[in-house]
Amino acid sequence: GAGVSQSPRYKVAKRGQDVALRCDPISGHVSLFWYQQALGQGPEFLTYFQNEAQLDKSGLPSDRFFAERPEGSVSTLKIQRTQQEDSAVYLCASSLALSSPDVGELFFGEGSRLTVL
Amino acid sequence: QQPVQSPQAVILREGEDAVINCSSSKALYSVHWYRQKHGEAPVFLMILLKGGEQKGHEKISASFNEKKQQSSLYLTASQLSYSGTYFCGSNFGNEKLTFGTGTRLTIIP
Repeated sequence: GAGVSQSPRYKVAKRGQDVALRCDPISGHVSLFWYQQALGQGPEFLTYFQNEAQLDKSGLPSDRFFAERPEGSVSTLKIQRTQQEDSAVYLCASSLALSSPDVGELFFGEGSRLTVL
Repeated sequence: QQPVQSPQAVILREGEDAVINCSSSKALYSVHWYRQKHGEAPVFLMILLKGGEQKGHEKISASFNEKKQQSSLYLTASQLSYSGTYFCGSNFGNEKLTFGTGTRLTIIP
């Protein structure tokens, strides 16, 4: 596709369940980012990949959060034993990252809205 | 480290101008601006790099004061389509963006 694709768009989980959120970036984009956006707030950085290497995971809130990008394209954000405070929109973004250290223009997906009951 | 934006919200009539400000407490390598409409993905508007280079859309203008660690986004002759929440993103030279608190812009006919 032409843009960043995320699935599922909506996910309702019971507290304690594990969830997996998928991001399919724009073809050829080297950099991939995950952000968490709570209602009415700005996106908060979670983690960053350059190709398959996870270069920064400083924003992951706890060890229940795990992200991977094994082949340098599709990425999965996994949340184990979900808690109510995990409810948010999870945004994925990709960029060409040709002008390091600046990230360049980020192309965002529409996000996965997670609701934990 | 989160940049602070002002104002938090603004209401304009179509055709009026607005300025949105973004301040950082830490030295910036670049500043990015994005607009997000309700329920949609943030959309890129502009990058302002240290040294004065700018990359962005023709109808949007912005400034970046490196010394003051501040950036301002200028919206002139606003249109209904400008409505949304504007976020600045600070890059501290570490290949990630830290987004600001957001400014909600409402344009009324």
